[in-house]
Parts: sequence; C-alpha cells; structure tokens
Amino acid sequence: DAKTTQPPSMDCAEGRAANLPCNHSTISGNEYVYWYRQIHSQGPQYIIHGLKNNETNEMASLIITEDRKSSTLILPHATLRDTAVYYCIVNSDYKLSFGAGTTVTVRA
Amino acid sequence: SAVISQKPSRDICQRGTSLTIQCQVDSQVTMMFWYRQQPGQSLTLIATANQGSEATYESGFVIDKFPISRPNLTFSTLTVSNMSPEDSSIYLCSVDGTVAEAFFGQGTRLTVV
Repeated sequence: DAKTTQPPSMDCAEGRAANLPCNHSTISGNEYVYWYRQIHSQGPQYIIHGLKNNETNEMASLIITEDRKSSTLILPHATLRDTAVYYCIVNSDYKLSFGAGTTVTVRA
Repeated sequence: SAVISQKPSRDICQRGTSLTIQCQVDSQVTMMFWYRQQPGQSLTLIATANQGSEATYESGFVIDKFPISRPNLTFSTLTVSNMSPEDSSIYLCSVDGTVAEAFFGQGTRLTVV
C-alpha cells in the first residue's frame, strides 16, 4: 500500500525553483520523510530527510506541513542535471519503500 | 558517504542459467540491501543482508531464487538463479549511511534471453 502520493511528472525551467509536492496523510509520529532521486541509468541518490522541522542542505530544502500530512521538496535553482525521477518516502526503519515518484524534466 | 561498487555492470544471460552479482563497499557497514528495478518501474526491496546471519527476504522473494551471501562487513553477493526473461531488471545494492541516508550502487543491468 502506497504511503505517499506524488504527481507523475512535472516540468521546470532551468534556473527557476522546482517545488515537488508529496502527500503522506497516513504518516505515523515516528516516521521520517525522505527524498531520493534517480538520474537515468544511475542508482538512487539521497537528497534530504526530515521529521517535523523544515530542513535545508546543499542540494535542497524540505518543507513539512505542521500536521505532517504533506511536504514539499524545493530545488532552489534547477539545472539540466536535476532532470530525474524524485521519490518521496516515509518510513521509520531501514527499509525504503519506493513509489512511482515524480519525473522532473528541467528545460533550458 | 559510502562508495559502492557492483559487478558486473551489465550482462546478457541465457534462460535457465544463474548470475552472481557482487557488491563491494569501501567501509564496514552493518546492513546491506538488494533491490530490483524492473523495466520502467520503481525499486522493490528483495532482501536485507546482515553479516553472520541469514538474509531476510521480502514478500514475493525466496532464498532459492535469490540466494544471498554476506561473508564480511564490506561485501555481499546476490545470485539470480534459474533465470527467465521475467528476471530482466536492474539489480541494485544499497547500504545505510551514518546520517540515516542510504547509498546505492550503480546497479547491474541484467537481460535474460
């Protein structure tokens, strides 16, 4: 059973911010929100994760709503190299359950 | 971070044969994971491999079909046995990092003919 819902695809202009939504309305109190991406023909790459608070690192920002039922991954300045499938995952242990993800295409 | 090397990177195999995929990590890790990614699909966890114990398989995957070895803290193998065209997939090895993230190898692209 899918724990997250993401739009299947989205386009983004190069240099603009990309905002990727994720719904996880059944998230439990001890479950984290993780984001990974998979560039074509490569293994998935960790981006960021969070529990309650918003998080930021060198790749992206993660905004989690107060009720924790949804989140948004923000790529502040998308480049062509950010074209990938982005996966939003919620879990509380070492197992990662990948859904279908969002295919993000960054256009010049 | 962890650097993961998988071998082979790709292979074309005859049905009925077996292929063993190797996963080498540049540091000692407790847990190693094997995933399958069928064409056009997302990743599915096959099993978790801990050193010194039997691998733990997810629903739909059995040891006879996907035997796993974990002889030490930096190495694991996954064998795809008695292959059929339905086994054509990318097989990925993964390990846990130190800050809750997971690191993945580049995968082994298997085609069964």
